[in-house]
Amino acid sequence: SAVISQKPSRDICQRGTSLTIQCQVDSQVTMMFWYRQQPGQSLTLIATANQGSEATYESGFVIDKFPISRPNLTFSTLTVSNMSPEDSSIYLCSVWGTGDAGELFFGEGSRLTVL
Amino acid sequence: GENVEQHPSTLSVQEGDSAVIKCTYSDSASNYFPWYKQELGKGPQLIIDIRSNVGEKKDQRIAVTLNKTAKHFSLHITETQPEDSAVYFCAAFDGTSYGKLTFGQGTILTVHP
Repeated sequence: SAVISQKPSRDICQRGTSLTIQCQVDSQVTMMFWYRQQPGQSLTLIATANQGSEATYESGFVIDKFPISRPNLTFSTLTVSNMSPEDSSIYLCSVWGTGDAGELFFGEGSRLTVL
Repeated sequence: GENVEQHPSTLSVQEGDSAVIKCTYSDSASNYFPWYKQELGKGPQLIIDIRSNVGEKKDQRIAVTLNKTAKHFSLHITETQPEDSAVYFCAAFDGTSYGKLTFGQGTILTVHP
């Protein structure tokens, strides 16, 4: 499985500011995704990070709030814009495995607290 | 869309006992069912999975069963150890939206020494 590194691992942010989370994978992957895990909750897909084109967002998530970049096959960023306390969550980068297995692997997550 | 229900929300067992977590899904097109373990402060880790053409899969102390007719699947952990304490999530994949797993609500498993 791929090694997925996220930065920052955690941060405390002020209301109204924006923060960019970076995700680096140790091998080229076709498909990268961003999930959100609100406190004590399950995981929800935010968007698929497409290389060379705009991200594909799930219902309830919009590009203005969660802009995503995917400049190459090993790197992606997620920005959480104009943050409010409701954005306090763990944001997880994930990749879809190659080959027949097709499993989904996650990074360690970026834990954001918005004051 | 797919909906996954997971029970129980919390489970407390004594070391050495077995633990069972159950999930049901709604979309009969779903064909892949992974289980994740999330320890405090870490990301979810894939521990076992099962595909719709298989009824049971085992890996050492953990096993997963799938009943396609009833649309439910279960995680079984035998001889539990304190290090098994974590949050466990089941998930379902409909075979088309790659990367999009529908997750259950999670089960907090506590294994008491």
